[in-house]
Amino acid sequence: DGGITQSPKYLFRKEGQNVTLSCEQNLNHDAMYWYRQDPGQGLRLIYYSQIVNDFQKGDIAEGYSVSREKKESFPLTVTSAQKNPTAFYLCASRSGTGGFNQPQHFGDGTRLSIL
Amino acid sequence: AQSVAQPEDQVNVAEGNPLTVKCTYSVSGNPYLFWYVQYPNRGLQFLLKYITGDNLVKGSYGFEAEFNKSQTSFHLKKPSALVSDSALYFCAVRGLPDKLIFGTGTRLQVFP
Repeated sequence: DGGITQSPKYLFRKEGQNVTLSCEQNLNHDAMYWYRQDPGQGLRLIYYSQIVNDFQKGDIAEGYSVSREKKESFPLTVTSAQKNPTAFYLCASRSGTGGFNQPQHFGDGTRLSIL
Repeated sequence: AQSVAQPEDQVNVAEGNPLTVKCTYSVSGNPYLFWYVQYPNRGLQFLLKYITGDNLVKGSYGFEAEFNKSQTSFHLKKPSALVSDSALYFCAVRGLPDKLIFGTGTRLQVFP
C-alpha cells in the first residue's frame, strides 16, 4: 500500500534533549511538509521541501530542523531550543504532477510530550 | 493576507439529517480550497477540493461542498449524516509560496 509512515507514534522528550521524528513516503511525491497541531489552533507549517536537498522554513520554524537527503524521507528534529514542543506532529506529501492544486496526503502523526 | 475561518467549533446533527460545516476564506486571486477530515489520533484525510469549474464539488464518503465566490464561502455538506461521520473537519486554502492554510477545525457530532 502506498502511503506516509510516521514513527514513533508517541515520543517523550527530556529537558535539553533533541529528538527526531521520522517521516517516510512511498508515493513518489516530490513535496513534503511538517505541520504542528495544537488544540483549537488548526495546523501550522513548520518546514517544507519541494525537492531533494532543498527545504524552506514555514511559519513556525524556530526550534526545529529538517533534512531532505532522499526523496522518500523528511525527518524533523525538535531541538532543545523549542521551549514548548508538546504537540501532535503531522507529516504530509504532495505529488509534483499537476502542481499546487494537488491535495496533500498526511501520515498518522507523532504525539510528542515532555517528561 | 490569506486566511480561513471556520466559525463553528462544534456542529451537532441527528443521524439521517443533512449537515453543513461552514468555511469562509480570504485570498487574493483565485482560491484553491480543500476539505479534510481527522479522526482521533489519526492524520488528515482528503475529502474534496475546489480549483475551478462547477461551484458544487463532490468528494469522498458522500460529502460535497459549495463554492460561493460572492460570499467567499466553501461550505461542506452531506445530505444524510451518519454516526461514523463524527470527526474533526478542517477547511484549508492554498497559501504562498507552497503551503496549506488551515482553519481551526469544526467538530462534527452526529447523534443516533
